[in-house]
Amino acid sequence: DSGVTQTPKHLITATGQRVTLRCSPRSGDLSVYWYQQSLDQGLQFLIQYYNGEERAKGNILERFSAQQFPDLHSELNLSSLELGDSALYFCASSKGLAGGRYEQYFGPGTRLTVT
Amino acid sequence: AQKVTQAQTEISVVEKEDVTLDCVYETRDTTYYLFWYKQPPSGELVFLIRRNSFDEQNEISGRYSWNFQKSTSSFNFTITASQVVDSAVYFCALSEANRDDKIIFGKGTRLHILP
Repeated sequence: DSGVTQTPKHLITATGQRVTLRCSPRSGDLSVYWYQQSLDQGLQFLIQYYNGEERAKGNILERFSAQQFPDLHSELNLSSLELGDSALYFCASSKGLAGGRYEQYFGPGTRLTVT
Repeated sequence: AQKVTQAQTEISVVEKEDVTLDCVYETRDTTYYLFWYKQPPSGELVFLIRRNSFDEQNEISGRYSWNFQKSTSSFNFTITASQVVDSAVYFCALSEANRDDKIIFGKGTRLHILP
């Protein structure tokens, strides 16, 4: 158990809908990262927050957004869902900003299926 | 540009055999971090190891060992006396210290350990 929690574990929804994925980092970790794992794209970095502020952006679509709240939990919002958004979404957390100096611990993931 | 290549898409070995998973990386930074993660059939991502670019010492942890060679930009992972429980997808990854904290993952190597 990495200490990172993600809810829900599974999510099935229809095209055009909007969903919210939730992540609680490990105790004491200030950084939260979101990754998408799909069969064709592999594991891709989406976005990072540090202590409530956006720190880095990767290949995140404009239809997707995220935020980190004062209690450090984070939410990833996916809207206008398309079939291609079906994927496993991971949240990870680490102690701080260090360009890899701290390992990132991953949550169990949320499997999103868009029908 | 950052890039991680895992040329072996899938490997099958018989239990108790040794197996090496290859990883080649590209980076322009002199300070960077390399990682290996394991993704068992249950889907979670398990952190295995992190190395920084200044530490080329090989590392051994039980049946696992890692060989880091800057001269060939490789960070290979060897499992000695493999066991069925080692069956998983293994990801090599890179993070550049002077940029943001995102981790760039390779496509992964699916390892099957046959009883």
